[in-house]
Amino acid sequence: DVKVTQSSRYLVKRTGEKVFLECVQDMDHENMFWYRQDPGLGLRLIYFSYDVKMKEKGDIPEGYSVSREKKERFSLILESASTNQTSMYLCASSPGQGVYEQYFGPGTRLTVT
Amino acid sequence: DQQVKQNSPSLSVQEGRISILNCDYTNSMFDYFLWYKKYPAEGPTFLISISSIKDKNEDGRFTVFLNKSAKHLSLHIVPSQPGDSAVYFCAASNTGTASKLTFGTGTRLQVTL
Repeated sequence: DVKVTQSSRYLVKRTGEKVFLECVQDMDHENMFWYRQDPGLGLRLIYFSYDVKMKEKGDIPEGYSVSREKKERFSLILESASTNQTSMYLCASSPGQGVYEQYFGPGTRLTVT
Repeated sequence: DQQVKQNSPSLSVQEGRISILNCDYTNSMFDYFLWYKKYPAEGPTFLISISSIKDKNEDGRFTVFLNKSAKHLSLHIVPSQPGDSAVYFCAASNTGTASKLTFGTGTRLQVTL
């Protein structure tokens, strides 16, 4: 079974803090993704990566950056957290090479006060 | 611009009956479609998918129908069970775009006894 793990289930941070969300997958997948889920808005893509050190902006990249130094790990960085970044953050991975199903981690509920 | 739309935020169905969840899309470049199921405090899990070369795909109690001319897909669950109570997201991909998925806003299904 594919396993995608996220470093924290719940996180509370203050406005202006730098926040790191870590995601690790154990199936040697090529592609990794970060989404946020908000009520009434579904899942929105923040950033994705199709290879080590490669990244592409998703639909809502403003206020975020990412890092992928190793194939199995994809980090989401909030440079200066703001209250409108309070959300559920979901990491996913997919094999690539014509396989489109994505496998998700359990999510991190981030609250910025 | 919401390219994938789930116009029913919620649906209630009696146990044993059929659940029909609907999804519409606007981007004619989408050629692969997926359904995900999400329980509270968990990440979405992949349920079933369909390629645009088909109009139906079945897996046990779950069947997905695709009407390309109407840009509409639906998920049928029969018979519905209480454990099916969850939020269901449809997602779409243009298979030429590095496995990116565009998600709908979700439909909360409640299966009552």
